[in-house]
Amino acid sequence: DAGVIQSPRHEVTEMGQEVTLRCKPISGHNSLFWYRQTMMRGLELLIYFNNNVPIDDSGMPEDRFSAKMPNASFSTLKIQPSEPRDSAVYFCASSLAAQGGYTFGSGTRLTVV
Amino acid sequence: QKEVEQNSGPLSVPEGAIASLNCTYSDRGSQSFFWYRQYSGKSPELIMFIYSNGDKEDGRFTAQLNKASQYVSLLIRDSQPSDSATYLCAVRNSGNTPLVFGKGTRLSVIA
Repeated sequence: DAGVIQSPRHEVTEMGQEVTLRCKPISGHNSLFWYRQTMMRGLELLIYFNNNVPIDDSGMPEDRFSAKMPNASFSTLKIQPSEPRDSAVYFCASSLAAQGGYTFGSGTRLTVV
Repeated sequence: QKEVEQNSGPLSVPEGAIASLNCTYSDRGSQSFFWYRQYSGKSPELIMFIYSNGDKEDGRFTAQLNKASQYVSLLIRDSQPSDSATYLCAVRNSGNTPLVFGKGTRLSVIA
C-alpha cells in the first residue's frame, strides 16, 4: 500500500499565481479530506468528499479556493489567485467509511511570496 | 462551533516517566476519539482511537475517555526521547463526519 500520495511536496509561488495541489487517496478508501495546517490555527478542514461527491466545503476560506475529485483515485485543490496568507501546509487524508481514523499524505508546504 | 481544546505545551517529562496528555471537547454528541502523533515536518499518524468510556491500552499507550466530563486523555508509559512530538486529539460526531482536531500538545521527553 503506497499510502496517500500528495504532490508537490513543496511549492513556492508569487502572489497572484495559480496553485494546484494534487492528491491520490489509498485505493478502496471512499472519503477524502483536505486540511490546512498553520501554527496559529492548527489543522483546519477545508473540504471533504464521499464517493467523489463534495459533501461540505464550508471550510474553504474564499472563492479563490476550489477542489475537485473527478474519480476515486484523484483530487485537486486549486488556489487562484494565491496570496501570502495562503502559506501553510496542506494535507490530504483518506478513510474508509465507518472505519477508524484517517491516513494522511505527506503534505504540501506552500509558500506564497 | 465544535471545539477541541488541548494545552499547547511544551510538556516536558524525563525519560522513563509517564506522560499525560489531555483534551476536552465541546460537542456532547461526539462518539469517537482519536490520538495522532506528528513529528516536526511530518504528517499526523494515528496512534489510537477510543469509542467507549474507560481505558484502552495498546503497548505503552493508554487512551482514557470520560464522556460525562467530555474529556479524553493519552498516557504514555516509559516515555522515550523518540516520543517527543506534537500529539493531536481529534473528535468525530458520528458516522463518517469529518474529524475536528485540537491544535496539539508538544511533548518533549528529556534523556
